[in-house]
Amino acid sequence: DAGVTQSPTHLIKTRGQQVTLRCSPKSGHDTVSWYQQALGQGPQFIFQYYEEEERQRGNFPDRFSGHQFPNYSSELNVNALLLGDSALYLCASSLAVGEQYFGPGTRLTVT
Amino acid sequence: QKEVEQNSGPLSVPEGAIASLNCTYSDRVSQSFFWYRQYSGKSPELIMSIYSNGDKEDGRFTAQLNKASQYVSLLIRDSQPSDSATYLCAVNPNNNDMRFGAGTRLTVKP
Repeated sequence: DAGVTQSPTHLIKTRGQQVTLRCSPKSGHDTVSWYQQALGQGPQFIFQYYEEEERQRGNFPDRFSGHQFPNYSSELNVNALLLGDSALYLCASSLAVGEQYFGPGTRLTVT
Repeated sequence: QKEVEQNSGPLSVPEGAIASLNCTYSDRVSQSFFWYRQYSGKSPELIMSIYSNGDKEDGRFTAQLNKASQYVSLLIRDSQPSDSATYLCAVNPNNNDMRFGAGTRLTVKP
């Protein structure tokens, strides 16, 4: 039973560029949530997708956008990258309501 | 006031001792509470969930919840060096987003 997968593992981008991160949920899960974790901090909620719609959004600017596909996989897009966007980006999957399981994360470095 | 507060530590206990990790939260409507373990450089791993007042035991782990006091704790019995990690408390006030504390770093010394 495959767990949550994310790609890529690491990414280095230049300020102002755009980035797309990908997530495949755990088998049987239909909900994907995205989090940003800065060094030494807990994960911060970005948004959650369910039935291909953004169900809830955290306190992140519109530069952060996402998408969920019919197979429940999801993408996180960040435009106009800032140095402060450097972080570990975590995807978590769950059933519509329930425990969330994290993928391995994507380490984004903005230079 | 932060939504979820944890003592950042580091908390150091000897091998075989009980490690006690504490967490307070501010949103009274919260119904779901979780403990995650995060090893350095890795992603969080769910170790316990608790939804009702009282204790919930799973192996060496016991989660305790007191909604009236807005307090949740995690006890680790017979602590092992492999338990050394950061422990994240998470609160799910609306079944959608989770609010995390900054984590408590635990070190178990052989």
